[in-house]
Amino acid sequence: NAGVTQTPKFQVLKTGQSMTLQCAQDMNHNSMYWYRQDPGMGLRLIYYSASEGTTDKGEVPNGYNVSRLNKREFSLRLESAAPSQTSVYFCASSEARSRGNSPLHFGNGTRLTVT
Amino acid sequence: GESVGLHLPTLSVQEGDNSIINCAYSNSASDYFIWYKQESGKGPQFIIDIRSNMDKRQGQRVTVLLNKTVKHLSLQIAATQPGDSAVYFCAENTGGFKTIFGAGTRLFVKA
Repeated sequence: NAGVTQTPKFQVLKTGQSMTLQCAQDMNHNSMYWYRQDPGMGLRLIYYSASEGTTDKGEVPNGYNVSRLNKREFSLRLESAAPSQTSVYFCASSEARSRGNSPLHFGNGTRLTVT
Repeated sequence: GESVGLHLPTLSVQEGDNSIINCAYSNSASDYFIWYKQESGKGPQFIIDIRSNMDKRQGQRVTVLLNKTVKHLSLQIAATQPGDSAVYFCAENTGGFKTIFGAGTRLFVKA
């Protein structure tokens, strides 16, 4: 099984450009998540989707939108990229249904630079 | 800090020794705790978890200890190997869908 697959692996954007980060999981997991990882800040939750058809804000949602396209896919969109959004973005999924008491399974990340 | 951080706490151990990585968590309402390992260029990988009704759980070469009184979590790795070199994160969950990650500790294993 591939697990959690993220595309692209690397991306460079100019300030103001938009892009969508793609994520798909093949584990039939219910919940999916987007995190960002910055030096000195650890992993911070941007948005999550507890189940197909629902999305909720995490700790740092400003400047991002998400779409839970179906049970497998959860995309993250930057409408107008800013240098502060330079980061490594990780998608994760979990079996969790009613509460987050199952471990997260992560993809290998998208390294985004905004100039 | 995390895998690309410049100021991560660092633990250096000799190959074959036991490693202990410590973590202080913040929320006394947290009831589920997880340890992740992150190698360079990869996403975090689940190692072991523990629920708040337990104080110890063992896996293969790893043990997690939970002390709720002082809000402390530790990960013990037995007979540390070069392949254990990575950044280790503790994480806590209070029952919702938001998992909060610690800053991470970098483990170096000297051959």
